[in-house]
Amino acid sequence: DGGITQSPKYLFRKEGQNVTLSCEQNLNHDAMYWYRQDPGQGLRLIYYSQIVNDFQKGDIAEGYSVSREKKESFPLTVTSAQKNPTAFYLCASSEAPPGNTIYFGEGSWLTVV
Amino acid sequence: GEDVEQSLFLSVREGDSSVINCTYTDSSSTYLYWYKQEPGAGLQLLTYIFSNMDMKQDQRLTVLLNKKDKHLSLRIADTQTGDSAIYFCAETVGGGYNKLIFGAGTRLAVHP
Repeated sequence: DGGITQSPKYLFRKEGQNVTLSCEQNLNHDAMYWYRQDPGQGLRLIYYSQIVNDFQKGDIAEGYSVSREKKESFPLTVTSAQKNPTAFYLCASSEAPPGNTIYFGEGSWLTVV
Repeated sequence: GEDVEQSLFLSVREGDSSVINCTYTDSSSTYLYWYKQEPGAGLQLLTYIFSNMDMKQDQRLTVLLNKKDKHLSLRIADTQTGDSAIYFCAETVGGGYNKLIFGAGTRLAVHP
């Protein structure tokens, strides 16, 4: 089946640790995105990538890092510099912009313990 | 600035129509979207409308766009309990990539 796979679904992080969320797509989409969702709020863009080996910061990139070494993969690292990382993280992809629809994965829950 | 506003909650009786409203600020938006999110899940694309259209219908879903007032609505006919979810309105804004600005979401509760 074609789609976007995020893993793990649930992740717990200790204070001071870095954690990496995986995102893989087999839709042959050029563009990939990471969004953060907090309870009762809309989605906010963390990072996006339009092409392999290139990515740009979104609205809330501080404390996060990404890589885009392969077209199908766009992992997100939540670093210890992110002071409030507990949230629901959504990966998405689309064909080359502009105007193409963005499709989402099922999300990953990150909790700081 | 870029902003999308939605009411936070809507309660309807099963079988009635639901109307979820949204206002946006960027007059240059090319596409406007409605996404559905069920508890603990990702966002599912329901429908979208291009900015040069006034209306789009897709089975039980009707989208109305009033560009003058920057108002978008989603009507769900014959609302079912399976329609209970959070509905997000989103607009595309300018730039070299497909940036979406989301509203905070409207929680739709369907009761018998």
